Parts: sequence; structure tokens; C-alpha cells
Amino acid sequence: SQELEQSPQSLIVQEGKNLTINCTSSKTLYGLYWYKQKYGEGLIFLMMLQKGGEEKSHEKITAKLDEKKQQSSLHITASQPSHAGIYLCGADNYDSGGYQKVTFGTGTKLQVIP
Amino acid sequence: GAGVSQTPSNKVTEKGKYVELRCDPISGHTALYWYRQSLGQGPEFLIYFQGTGAADDSGLPNDRFFAVRPEGSVSTLKIQRTERGDSAVYLCASSQTSQGRSKTGELFFGEGSRLTVL
Repeated sequence: SQELEQSPQSLIVQEGKNLTINCTSSKTLYGLYWYKQKYGEGLIFLMMLQKGGEEKSHEKITAKLDEKKQQSSLHITASQPSHAGIYLCGADNYDSGGYQKVTFGTGTKLQVIP
Repeated sequence: GAGVSQTPSNKVTEKGKYVELRCDPISGHTALYWYRQSLGQGPEFLIYFQGTGAADDSGLPNDRFFAVRPEGSVSTLKIQRTERGDSAVYLCASSQTSQGRSKTGELFFGEGSRLTVL
């Protein structure tokens, strides 16, 4: 089965600093997803990566998928308090049946200190 | 509303009781998923519906768990003889699909139903 490891587990940064969260898969990924979750709320979709070497950006958040499609990183530039929350990577495989049976990592808890 | 709606938002029950959790997906979304999230963990897949049928229920932990979607819209997750280990947040997600896969990759999640079994 697919396993995803996220690092670090938690992160505290000063407002304005850059940060990176990593997600490593035990298998080659078909789709790699990044979601953000705030306490008491559902998951908010950030982006999906599918191609080796692909990079996508949304506002100040950039995610990359490595060429081997087994590792992804999420980078936040000039962090703000609004970036605080739990960041979850998720993945599905070709053998998931053509639908999004996503396996999620355990998450990275981000705190941004004003 | 425009988003995925889940009720109740909070449910406290006693061990051994029966519980129903409801999910109202975004209108027109044919794919519906249930996930379970325990404290400090990522969500775990439970079941996937395409229309009215459960296409994949491999994530249901045992036969105390059952889910239906009779008209292809609202879904109900049913848990019989609840146990303390069932305590978690139950998340529902929906998406528009092209042959089972969301075109944009996005699953739209509800805010979840927090179940506490005493």
C-alpha cells in the first residue's frame, strides 16, 4: 500500500520567513496533492502535480514534484499568519481504479508568529 | 449553500449505540467519498460512490460500518454498535468526474462530523 512521510511534523516560523515542507512516497506517484486544513474545518485544495519535474504556484505557495515522482516539496515564501494550519500531502496510484482513492500523509503543522 | 454540507457537526454517543452521519455533496457532483480522520493523523479512505453505487468500500474497517447513496446525491454513513475506537472526524468529499477522476484533481471536502463515543 501507498505510504507517505511528511517532514517536519511541525514548524514554527517568524512572519516573513520562507519555509519548506517535504513529502516522500514509498511508491511512484500518479497524482500528488497538497491540501491545507485549519482546526474544525475541512481540507482546502492547494494543487495537484502529476508530471515528473512539474512545478505549480498559487499566490506565495509553490509545490514541486521530483523527476522520479516519489518526492514533493511545498515552499512558502514570505510566510504570513494566514498560512498557519496543517498541510497534508496526498497521493493516488494508477491501481486506485481510475478514481481518487487518496492516501494522505500525517500532516505538517505550521505556526506563523507575527 | 455551495459547498459540501455535513451533519451533525458534532455527535456524542454512548458505546453500543447506532449513529448516522449525513453528507450533502455539491450539486452535480457524481463522485462522493467518505474519509475518517483520527487525532493527529491524515484522513483515511473509507468508501467511494460513483452515482448511487459504492464502487469501492475497501476502506470500511468492519461490517459495523455501512454507507448508502440511494438517489446519487445525499449519502449517509451508518455505524452500528459504536465503539470508543470509532471516535474520529468523519469527512465527506465530492467531485465532478471524468470517468471517475476529477478534471482538476480537486476533491471538495465538507467540514466533517466529529464523533465521540463515550
